[in-house]
Amino acid sequence: DQQVKQNSPSLSVQEGRISILNCDYTNSMFDYFLWYKKYPAEGPTFLISISSIKDKNEDGRFTVFLNKSAKHLSLHIVPSQPGDSAVYFCAASDSYNFNKFYFGSGTKLNVKP
Amino acid sequence: GAGVSQSPRYKVAKRGQDVALRCDPISGHVSLFWYQQALGQGPEFLTYFQNEAQLDKSGLPSDRFFAERPEGSVSTLKIQRTQQEDSAVYLCASSLGGGQTRYNEQFFGPGTRLTVL
Repeated sequence: DQQVKQNSPSLSVQEGRISILNCDYTNSMFDYFLWYKKYPAEGPTFLISISSIKDKNEDGRFTVFLNKSAKHLSLHIVPSQPGDSAVYFCAASDSYNFNKFYFGSGTKLNVKP
Repeated sequence: GAGVSQSPRYKVAKRGQDVALRCDPISGHVSLFWYQQALGQGPEFLTYFQNEAQLDKSGLPSDRFFAERPEGSVSTLKIQRTQQEDSAVYLCASSLGGGQTRYNEQFFGPGTRLTVL
């Protein structure tokens, strides 16, 4: 039973436009959320995170939005660049067992030049 | 090295063989994690070490899976009597903090791709 879901396996966006990647979760105990980016043949690398006490966190071109009532988070990339083409995973943890991350199945983003 | 390294990068095993996968975490990192990533899926938590202590092994799918970190640095994930369903990428991650340090970034290695024939 997947507790973190990414329902879009892929997304294609034109360079310079906004990329929006979505993630839903079912466990209301989750209070810390992360996005990881993965290139082929490499391990995932941390991108950005958000605690449940916030509804937005911004880092350069990357912004994560959290909607706790809807159990939904999204990652916005503005403007998108070809180098952003990768698989993006969202992950979540709860305060009881915070070292255990639950990952979604990933969204493959393709940014076209 | 600067990052987490894993060896071998690729492993082909015949069904029933035992395999051992190695992880070298970033020097000084207290916490170490193992994940299993099946094709088309996200990483799934297997087990977690703080130094040499295995604090959580709730994700290990069966008693054929065993992990150790005897000196608190290098870790080995061992799979006995491999089955086809064990085919996956096994990822190792490490983080600097441990214990009650909540917001620790986990740094991932490139993974070992295991194929069981």
